[in-house]
Amino acid sequence: AQSVTQLGSHVSVSEGALVLLRCNYSSSVPPYLFWYVQYPNQGLQLLLKYTSAATLVKGINGFEAEFKKSETSFHLTKPSAHMSDAAEYFCAVSLKAAGNKLTFGGGTRVLVKP
Amino acid sequence: DAGVIQSPRHEVTEMGQEVTLRCKPISGHDYLFWYRQTMMRGLELLIYFNNNVPIDDSGMPEDRFSAKMPNASFSTLKIQPSEPRDSAVYFCASSLTSGGTEAFFGQGTRLTVV
Repeated sequence: AQSVTQLGSHVSVSEGALVLLRCNYSSSVPPYLFWYVQYPNQGLQLLLKYTSAATLVKGINGFEAEFKKSETSFHLTKPSAHMSDAAEYFCAVSLKAAGNKLTFGGGTRVLVKP
Repeated sequence: DAGVIQSPRHEVTEMGQEVTLRCKPISGHDYLFWYRQTMMRGLELLIYFNNNVPIDDSGMPEDRFSAKMPNASFSTLKIQPSEPRDSAVYFCASSLTSGGTEAFFGQGTRLTVV
């Protein structure tokens, strides 16, 4: 079975500062990995995904994530935070053998200070 | 495409009443998922379908919950009888068969059972 752990349920960053959200996964086989963002009262929107191609993945809104197999990590970064980045971010994993069902981490809520 | 469409967006009902949540997936998608989001438990997969057939319902909390997918363009999640602890946001999502494809989420239904 697969699982996802997100370190830090809340992160506060200053506008213009680096955003770093941590995600570690557990899987017995190579996984597919995703980052989703949820704005208040909205559904989840895909930021980026890793599907065994390049280990550094670029997504929308200036976000990127790096897959590190040795560390079983898929951390999300953005060089310069913007006020509009305030939202909740979810890391998720799926396995080909388990259909396309996503298993989510607990989420990290990002607060951006002016 | 209009995306995944869920109805209603908000539902307030009294304990003991039957509640039906509805979902229209993206045309051509052959996977459909029902998730529940609460503060305490985060995002939980309740059930998912492939080609209208339920594949895994191990996340359905109790026999009070049931889900159907009578055709490729419609699914329902029913709770009968409803209880206050069922209060949550329920999301429907759909995706394509290919491994690693992302799930597209609806806006969710916020259910409040009083």
